[in-house]
Amino acid sequence: AQTVTQSQPEMSVQEAETVTLSCTYDTSESDYYLFWYKQPPSRQMILVIRQEAYKQQNATENRFSVNFQKAAKSFSLKISDSQLGDAAMYFCAYPTGANSKLTFGKGITLSVRP
Amino acid sequence: DSGVTQTPKHLITATGQRVTLRCSPRSGDLSVYWYQQSLDQGLQFLIQYYNGEERAKGNILERFSAQQFPDLHSELNLSSLELGDSALYFCASSAEGGGGTEAFFGQGTRLTVV
Repeated sequence: AQTVTQSQPEMSVQEAETVTLSCTYDTSESDYYLFWYKQPPSRQMILVIRQEAYKQQNATENRFSVNFQKAAKSFSLKISDSQLGDAAMYFCAYPTGANSKLTFGKGITLSVRP
Repeated sequence: DSGVTQTPKHLITATGQRVTLRCSPRSGDLSVYWYQQSLDQGLQFLIQYYNGEERAKGNILERFSAQQFPDLHSELNLSSLELGDSALYFCASSAEGGGGTEAFFGQGTRLTVV
């Protein structure tokens, strides 16, 4: 069974600095996707970034980028130039099978210090 | 706004009762997923429907059931409620439900069982 592990329950970053959130996963599949979702205090889950495993290039979306290491089964999220609005819970997620149900990590609470 | 609508936003009910949570997916999305978010279990997949048919089942209790109607809206029925059923219940929808298709989440229904 696929598992997703986020071992850091909380992190803090100074505004305008860079922070990296870690995620590891376990799968026997060779082709798959990985997601990072953000859950702000409003509770809504918002897709931040998506990585396709067969692509060598790390995904980037504005200030958000990933460091995807397939052999190590590691998928970390880097947030550059952190903003107060980045404060939220972040979940790493793995879509399982053809139906794409998501397996989530336990999440990490990110706080941003002004 | 994700385009996924969940009602009600909050629900308080007594143990032993039955409740129905409603979800309207994004226009055109055929796939609906239900997730439960609790402090001890994290985010867990419950069940998926695709165009009216059950497609995948996760950690859904026998006291819980769901269905998707011809107009594609979905309902999650929770019966014989227990204190431990208190959680945030999310509905998500996607266009097809395969591979790396992005799932769009509603704002959730906060269920409190007293």
